[in-house]
Amino acid sequence: QSVLTQPPSASGTPGQRVTISCSGSSSNIGSNTVNWYQQLPGTAPKLLMYSTNQRPSGVPDRFSGSKSGTSASLAISGLQSEDEADYYCAAWDDSLNNVLFGGGTKLTVL
Amino acid sequence: EVQLVESGGGLVKPGGSLRLSCAASGFAFSTYTMNWVRQAPGKGLEWVSSISRSSIYIYYADSLKGRFTISRDNAKNSLYLQMNSLRDEDTGVYYCARATYCGGDCYPEYFQHWGQGILVTVSS
Repeated sequence: QSVLTQPPSASGTPGQRVTISCSGSSSNIGSNTVNWYQQLPGTAPKLLMYSTNQRPSGVPDRFSGSKSGTSASLAISGLQSEDEADYYCAAWDDSLNNVLFGGGTKLTVL
Repeated sequence: EVQLVESGGGLVKPGGSLRLSCAASGFAFSTYTMNWVRQAPGKGLEWVSSISRSSIYIYYADSLKGRFTISRDNAKNSLYLQMNSLRDEDTGVYYCARATYCGGDCYPEYFQHWGQGILVTVSS
């Protein structure tokens, strides 16, 4: 059972906006920045969003991140078929001295 | 170009041992915190362990209970994971990952680069 909680699935049609949530606690999301990883089928994970709302070079601005208290969100606007992937949130936990991952959200583009 | 290449995976019996290696290139290996992350078949990502640039700080997932040991050789640009007393549930793909630059010995803020992963299968 993951300490960071994500919905197991999400879906949308091309062009829509979808949001994936990530819920934690005061010792992880509440104290540190949140990062998001995208894993396309059969490939290694890739950094999608860091420091809560920063996009690495090459990540489209359709992707955005935010945080409020002990929860974070990843938003994808103008959904495209190539966005179909698994998305994971992650954060450092000050109490456990561990990196915590969410359980992952499988995004389906209908 | 940052490259991380894992090796040493394979089939091992329960209770056995395996040593994974990660060969790094394309960056100043000795200045980055390095990490292992694993993924069981059909499951999500699970952080395993991290080691700071000078090996001063070493972190492990609580679930490993002392069975795994992370180490690095900065002269060889290599990261290692010694896995002992392996169990069925240790089966999965193990990824080597480089954290972002932090300027010192620090915890991994996020994983900026990932290797392609290596499969470890624990089965009798």
